[in-house]
Amino acid sequence: DSGVTQTPKHLITATGQRVTLRCSPRSGDLSVYWYQQSLDQGLQFLIQYYNGEERAKGNILERFSAQQFPDLHSELNLSSLELGDSALYFCASSVALGGGGGSYNEQFFGPGTRLTVL
Amino acid sequence: DQQVKQNSPSLSVQEGRISILNCDYTNSMFDYFLWYKKYPAEGPTFLISISSIKDKNEDGRFTVFLNKSAKHLSLHIVPSQPGDSAVYFCAANQNSGYALNFGKGTSLLVTP
Repeated sequence: DSGVTQTPKHLITATGQRVTLRCSPRSGDLSVYWYQQSLDQGLQFLIQYYNGEERAKGNILERFSAQQFPDLHSELNLSSLELGDSALYFCASSVALGGGGGSYNEQFFGPGTRLTVL
Repeated sequence: DQQVKQNSPSLSVQEGRISILNCDYTNSMFDYFLWYKKYPAEGPTFLISISSIKDKNEDGRFTVFLNKSAKHLSLHIVPSQPGDSAVYFCAANQNSGYALNFGKGTSLLVTP
């Protein structure tokens, strides 16, 4: 158990809909990262928040947005869903900002949310 | 644009033998490399890492080798055990960057 929790575990929805994925980082971790794993793809970095502020952005679609709340949990909002958005969405957390090595930058992953868009 | 590549989708090894998982990268700015292990229905878990200033890092049965000139790293598992059966992801990042760049993973099966 990494200490990172994600809800829900599974989500089935229809095209055009909007969903919210939730992540609670490990106690004491200030950084939250979101990754997407599509079929036959590695994990693709979407976005990172550190202590409530957006710090880095990857290939995140404009239809997707995220935020980190004062209690440090994070939500990833996916809207106008398309079939191609079906994927595993992972949240990870670390103590520090990340980058480079060291235990403070190590990213701990949650179990993921499997999103199926029909 | 896949900057980290794992060209072998799967690998099968007998218990007790050595498992060698390979990874290539294209971005010469990467200076920190990691291996993650993933079981089904779980998130990836950190296994071992190496900084670009080293060419080898060892942790028990796991050793990672880095060849910067070839932009290649490998993970050696000796001896392999059935519990090592999982998907292994290679990842890399730059000290100035926060995101991990992952490969597509290699599925390792260790047979008794």
